[in-house]
Amino acid sequence: QVRLQESGPGLVKPSQTLSLTCAVSGGSLTTASFHWTWIRQPAGRGLEWIGHIHASGSTIYNPTLKSRVTLSMDSSKNRFRLDLASVTASDTALYFCARGQLFDGGSWGWVDPWGQGTVVTVSS
Amino acid sequence: QSVLTQPPSVSAAPGQRVTISCSGGTSNIGENSVSWYQQLPSAAPRLIIFDNTRRPSGIPDRFSASKFGPSADLVISGLQTGDEADYHCAAWDASLRLVVFGGGTKLTVL
Repeated sequence: QVRLQESGPGLVKPSQTLSLTCAVSGGSLTTASFHWTWIRQPAGRGLEWIGHIHASGSTIYNPTLKSRVTLSMDSSKNRFRLDLASVTASDTALYFCARGQLFDGGSWGWVDPWGQGTVVTVSS
Repeated sequence: QSVLTQPPSVSAAPGQRVTISCSGGTSNIGENSVSWYQQLPSAAPRLIIFDNTRRPSGIPDRFSASKFGPSADLVISGLQTGDEADYHCAAWDASLRLVVFGGGTKLTVL
């Protein structure tokens, strides 16, 4: 059974970089049929997809965040990372890492499972 | 403003049936599969429907879904108090090149 666990600072100052790590257990980051995904949820609001990284290292980012987001992965440690630069208060949210499933043809399918989430507050 | 439109809230009594709609467009639901997620209070979302109509193992058949053109519905029958949660729909949007979610629907079981 695959499990994901987010970790990182819960408080980040404005203009700094938010960095989170997702540790994956029970499965490999190198499996071709998965994307490794970050999603966030501001308090009381809906889900926002940040982006995903494939086992090949290819990435797709939410266009509204693309200039500030970098996703990377460390297959040897079976974990992947989110870096979000130049944060503001609007980046305050519950951040989830998750596994994205691809269909056989390579198109995006669904997200399962999810990590429990970690709250990040942007404040001075 | 979410790309996929869901009603903010729905409610029904225990034992009854409720439908949650998810309205999109040609570039997302119209040409890509829909998934649905249940988010219990203070919990992470959980996949309950994938590939438009399929249930993961462990999800009861009280949960069903359909897709028609650019829209989709989630139906929960035999409502239980434990079904009280937020429900989110999602799909890939080929024009925007990102995964889009609905704004979420809060289900209250009266």
